[in-house]
Amino acid sequence: GESVGLHLPTLSVQEGDNSIINCAYSNSASDYFIWYKQESGKGPQFIIDIRSNMDKRQGQRVTVLLNKTVKHLSLQIAATQPGDSAVYFCAEISGYSTLTFGKGTMLLVSP
Amino acid sequence: NAGVTQTPKFQVLKTGQSMTLQCAQDMNHEYMSWYRQDPGMGLRLIHYSVGAGITDQGEVPNGYNVSRSTTEDFPLRLLSAAPSQTSVYFCASTLGGGRTEAFFGQGTRLTVV
Repeated sequence: GESVGLHLPTLSVQEGDNSIINCAYSNSASDYFIWYKQESGKGPQFIIDIRSNMDKRQGQRVTVLLNKTVKHLSLQIAATQPGDSAVYFCAEISGYSTLTFGKGTMLLVSP
Repeated sequence: NAGVTQTPKFQVLKTGQSMTLQCAQDMNHEYMSWYRQDPGMGLRLIHYSVGAGITDQGEVPNGYNVSRSTTEDFPLRLLSAAPSQTSVYFCASTLGGGRTEAFFGQGTRLTVV
């Protein structure tokens, strides 16, 4: 079946650096692509979404880029902080708001 | 406003036992769903509901039943627990109507021995 996947399982950065987390997707029919953050022992938390007809969307310290030509999604976190340490999932959504998740990238931020 | 509440947080079952994982939301959300998360993997959809009285299967529905008698509650039943069902289970709700933000509960960690 079609799925959403990630390139890197673990990303280690220094506090203050910019972080880029990548994701490849295969279902071109998805309506939205979404990034979730999951801290240890907690449920996923919505970060930002991007509609499939957009290329870029910015939030507070985060930017999501969508490249439909190569089916690639990325999450950029500016001035990464220790509190950003978590597992990040990309997901696609279509139809009845059900999510198809990628496998996740662990972001480790060193002080 | 509690959001999405799951109970219990932890549970150990013996093979063959049955149990119900509870999920309740107080946001009047239309859509609710259940996911399981296994080590090193993303979440996989078990069952979902688009409103009271309406449920459908997701990617991994075998061994689970759901019902949606009210907008607020969406319990997940394990009919006869198997070790392969050892996992962390998450319930989520979404407003619907094109809204994309799903709110997740804290999860239930289930071990089947």
